[in-house]
Amino acid sequence: EAGVVQSPRYKIIEKKQPVAFWCNPISGHNTLYWYLQNLGQGPELLIRYENEEAVDDSQLPKDRFSAERLKGVDSTLKIQPAELGDSAVYLCASSLGTGQAFFGQGTRLTVV
Amino acid sequence: TQLLEQSPQFLSIQEGENLTVYCNSSSVFSSLQWYRQEPGEGPVLLVTVVTGGEVKKLKRLTFQFGDARKDSSLHITAAQPGDTGLYLCAGRISSGSARQLTFGSGTQLTVLP
Repeated sequence: EAGVVQSPRYKIIEKKQPVAFWCNPISGHNTLYWYLQNLGQGPELLIRYENEEAVDDSQLPKDRFSAERLKGVDSTLKIQPAELGDSAVYLCASSLGTGQAFFGQGTRLTVV
Repeated sequence: TQLLEQSPQFLSIQEGENLTVYCNSSSVFSSLQWYRQEPGEGPVLLVTVVTGGEVKKLKRLTFQFGDARKDSSLHITAAQPGDTGLYLCAGRISSGSARQLTFGSGTQLTVLP
């Protein structure tokens, strides 16, 4: 069975440019998470979806970040415009309710 | 303020030594998980503990959940270079947003051959 798939794996952009990340969760998993992880630190939750509904987005910087999960399956996370401080790894995870969360390999974003 | 505090933040030891990593909080957790993450990969679940005082063993790794379900520890016996990685604890709180999975600050372990 395929795991959580994220793309791209790496992205380098100039500051003020837009960027988007894509996540395909494990089939059947209704809960989807987006996390931000700085080097050597623990992941920090940005947004959590239950099916297509964003049920926890309190940590999402809404002035520049947006996310969507149309049809309750795939999800995209967008940053516009990107800032230097947004450089990090963006992790997507999925689970069946409060069951085990499975993580993708992440997208490493570098803003120059 | 970090909900889950891990210590130490960095740990470098020789192969064959034992070590313990701690995860502490002032909040009560309905469950607590330990993950291991290697460079360029996402975290991979090692164990889930749900009962206060619970002890689980996974080969050379021993996980303990505190009686009050506010803290946990990971003990590795006879560490090997393959144990090198970032160890993360993560918990679901007992009230409020129980479905939210909150991570600790991480412990970077390096085992030298």
